Amino acid sequence: EAGVTQFPSHSVIEKGQTVTLRCDPISGHDNLYWYRRVMGKEIKFLLHFVKESKQDESGMPNNRFLAERTGGTYSTLKVQPAELEDSGVYFCASSPYTDTQYFGPGTRLTVL
Amino acid sequence: KQEVTQIPAALSVPEGENLVLNCSFTDSAIYNLQWFRQDPGKGLTSLLLIQSSQREQTSGRLNASLDKSSGRSTLYIAASQPGDSATYLCAARPSNDYKLSFGAGTTVTVRA
Repeated sequence: EAGVTQFPSHSVIEKGQTVTLRCDPISGHDNLYWYRRVMGKEIKFLLHFVKESKQDESGMPNNRFLAERTGGTYSTLKVQPAELEDSGVYFCASSPYTDTQYFGPGTRLTVL
Repeated sequence: KQEVTQIPAALSVPEGENLVLNCSFTDSAIYNLQWFRQDPGKGLTSLLLIQSSQREQTSGRLNASLDKSSGRSTLYIAASQPGDSATYLCAARPSNDYKLSFGAGTTVTVRA
């Protein structure tokens, strides 16, 4: 069974540009989460989808971040416009219920 | 707000020595606690998940204990090997929520 996949693995963009990160959860997992780790900090929760609905987006830092999960399958996280402080590693996780969360390899975002 | 602390931040041991990694959390109202392993540039691999009603979980050379009343979890790795070198993270899930609160991790180096 394929695990959680994320694309791209690494993205380098200029400040002010737009970047879209993609996450494909494990097939059949209704729950999808986004987390991120910025330099020197702990991994922090961003938001949680149940199927296509946003269950909780309390961790989203500001309105420059937009997450979608059309059709309840893959999810995208768009940052527009990107700022320097958005640099970090963005992780996606999925779970069948709200138990063990299975994490993807992460997308390393560098904003110059 | 849940605060998760992992001490020490880094640990270096000779091969064969047993490893003891500590995780403490401030809010004892947790649903479960999960231990992860992260290799450089890679995602998070779930090692063990302990439900709040459990005292410990074991998988091979790994054993994790949980003491909710004192807000502590310990991960034991028996007879360490160089392949155990990685960063180990613990994450607490609250009883009324699903977002994981992570510690900063303990980076382990096992010397051959």
